[in-house]
Amino acid sequence: GAGVSQSPSNKVTEKGKDVELRCDPISGHTALYWYRQSLGQGLEFLIYFQGNSAPDKSGLPSDRFSAERTGGSVSTLTIQRTQQEDSAVYLCASSLFGHEQFFGPGTRLTVL
Amino acid sequence: GENVEQHPSTLSVQEGDSAVIKCTYSDSASNYFPWYKQELGKRPQLIIDIRSNVGEKKDQRIAVTLNKTAKHFSLHITETQPEDSAVYFCAASMASGPGNQFYFGTGTSLTVIP
Repeated sequence: GAGVSQSPSNKVTEKGKDVELRCDPISGHTALYWYRQSLGQGLEFLIYFQGNSAPDKSGLPSDRFSAERTGGSVSTLTIQRTQQEDSAVYLCASSLFGHEQFFGPGTRLTVL
Repeated sequence: GENVEQHPSTLSVQEGDSAVIKCTYSDSASNYFPWYKQELGKRPQLIIDIRSNVGEKKDQRIAVTLNKTAKHFSLHITETQPEDSAVYFCAASMASGPGNQFYFGTGTSLTVIP
């Protein structure tokens, strides 16, 4: 594809439900990142995958958050038992090692 | 780990004036410094970047300067236009290290007043 894609673009869920957010990075990019951006705020790092190395999970805010990257390509961010404070835009980015990050359009998550 | 600070958090300038946004970093091993522009409701996009082997880089109205000794880098926008209004993020990364983590500043909301 031409760039990083994310799905869904918008997700509305009820408190307590689980959600899965998907990221398709640029083909060949070895690094994949997840960030959370609340309204009017900065980029909060969540998790980072680099090739076959163990992911850097240091930014995950709680054990309700998890992510996986299958086959070094597509990644899924899962939020279990969603809370209202989880409402935000979730951004995915990918990069070649040592180069700029390219961001996806984001998934806007609203927890009612 | 790395800590990136960005100032100011908000900036308003008259159209045609210059805007300067400053960032500092803490880890001297960082060697790649990109700047991203995020327009309202859109994704961040790279506008310029600099690596630690150069002190300045220009691209039309945009320039970035890097002072490795002081561990700070700045974004300069000249002849500002209304379309420059956006949130700007700086970042630092150790691009040649085992983990290509990016550390972002908290962002600067720039408003260019026509």
